[in-house]
Amino acid sequence: QVQLQESGPGLVKPSETLSLTCTVSGGSMSNNYWSWIRQPPGKGLEWIGYVYHSGASYYNPSLESRVSISVDTSKNQFSLNLRSVTAADTAVYFCARGGWSLGPWGRGTLVTVSS
Amino acid sequence: EIVLTQSPGTLSLSPGERATLSCRASQSVSSNYIAWYQQKPGQAPRLLISDASSRAPGIADRFSGSGSGTDFTLTISRLEPEDFAVYYCQQYGSSLPNIFGQGTKLEIK
Repeated sequence: QVQLQESGPGLVKPSETLSLTCTVSGGSMSNNYWSWIRQPPGKGLEWIGYVYHSGASYYNPSLESRVSISVDTSKNQFSLNLRSVTAADTAVYFCARGGWSLGPWGRGTLVTVSS
Repeated sequence: EIVLTQSPGTLSLSPGERATLSCRASQSVSSNYIAWYQQKPGQAPRLLISDASSRAPGIADRFSGSGSGTDFTLTISRLEPEDFAVYYCQQYGSSLPNIFGQGTKLEIK
């Protein structure tokens, strides 16, 4: 059974880069899309983007200028970088399998943007 | 870009009752590419339904999805105590980006 786990700093300073990694266990990353989604405290879900096992990626246009998602299949990991963060980027960040319907999901990690 | 509007915002029902949650799209959803998710407090969302009506593996058959075009429905036939949560619909497919509705909170009456 595939499981996902997010990891990375819980606190990032404004204008810096938010970097998170999702580790996939219990299955192969091959022939799958892998997504990042975020949820500001008390609010709804926002899809950030996905990466294919080949490295091809697609991003939400609302974040495209600041985001990149990469994959390292040798480590069974994919990563999120979000540049020039502000307080509006404070959220729980989830990783999930899939580029369209999404499942399973990681438990999520709270990232706070604050000086 | 498609906008998804879920209604009602909050639904108050009792265990054993039937729940009907609505998701309306601002334009027709290609191939009925609508998913439904359940999220409990402090947890990640869980996929319930994909392609508007296909239950995900391990999902109880009291959950069903229906609809086409712009109007989609998630029905829970008989509410169990563990079903009280927030439910999100999501549009996906060729009309990227993936878009979520704002959610419906299903609470115990």
